[in-house]
Amino acid sequence: DSGVTQTPKHLITATGQRVTLRCSPRSGDLSVYWYQQSLDQGLQFLIQYYNGEERAKGNILERFSAQQFPDLHSELNLSSLELGDSALYFCASSYSGQGLGEQYFGPGTRLTVT
Amino acid sequence: GQQVMQIPQYQHVQEGEDFTTYCNSSTTLSNIQWYKQRPGGHPVFLIQLVKSGEVKKQKRLTFQFGEAKKNSSLHITATQTTDVGTYFCAGRTSGSRLTFGEGTQLTVNP
Repeated sequence: DSGVTQTPKHLITATGQRVTLRCSPRSGDLSVYWYQQSLDQGLQFLIQYYNGEERAKGNILERFSAQQFPDLHSELNLSSLELGDSALYFCASSYSGQGLGEQYFGPGTRLTVT
Repeated sequence: GQQVMQIPQYQHVQEGEDFTTYCNSSTTLSNIQWYKQRPGGHPVFLIQLVKSGEVKKQKRLTFQFGEAKKNSSLHITATQTTDVGTYFCAGRTSGSRLTFGEGTQLTVNP
C-alpha cells in the first residue's frame, strides 16, 4: 500500500460525457502528478500540482483539467469523452516539487468509454 | 521534446536466466529513476541514479547510469518468477517532470 488513494477504481461511461477522478496523496506529500496509461503503453505525464499550484504540464488535452485543493487532494476532470480516452489513470505523489525522489503511485482508476 | 526510449519492449526468459533492459534519452538527464509494475498493479519505485557512471545494486538487481548521463540499464541476475512485470525507466532533465520510457515487459517461465 503506497498510501495514495484513488477513487473510483473503475468507471464506465459513454462518449461525450464528463467524469471526475479523485486522488488523495500520501500524508505529508505536497506534489500530485497525473498519468495516463493506455493498454500495454507507457505512462504519459499529464500534469503536476505542488501545494495547490500547477507546477508542470505534459500532454494534457484541452478537454482535460485538474486542480489541487487546500487539503492537497486533487481531481482530474475529463470532458467530452472519446473512445480513445479509455485508459488507466494513475495519480502519484511526492514530497518534493522538483521531481527528485520517488513518486508513490495510487492503484489507478480504470476508465472505459463506450 | 525530451524522449526516453527503452528496449526491448518484451523479454521472455527461463527462470534462472539473466535479464537486461536498456534506457536511452535524447537529452542529458539530471537523474533517472526505475519503476516496476506488476501485472494489474501500479508502478513501484525501485531506485534513483543521479551521478555520472553511478552503479547501484539491490540484491539481484544492478542499475547503471551512463557516463554521459544519457543512458541507463537494469540487469537482473538469475531471474525468478517474482521478477515478472514491466520495468520502466523515467528520466528528468530540468524542472520537475519525469519522462517515462515505454517499459520492458518481462515474463519468466518456471
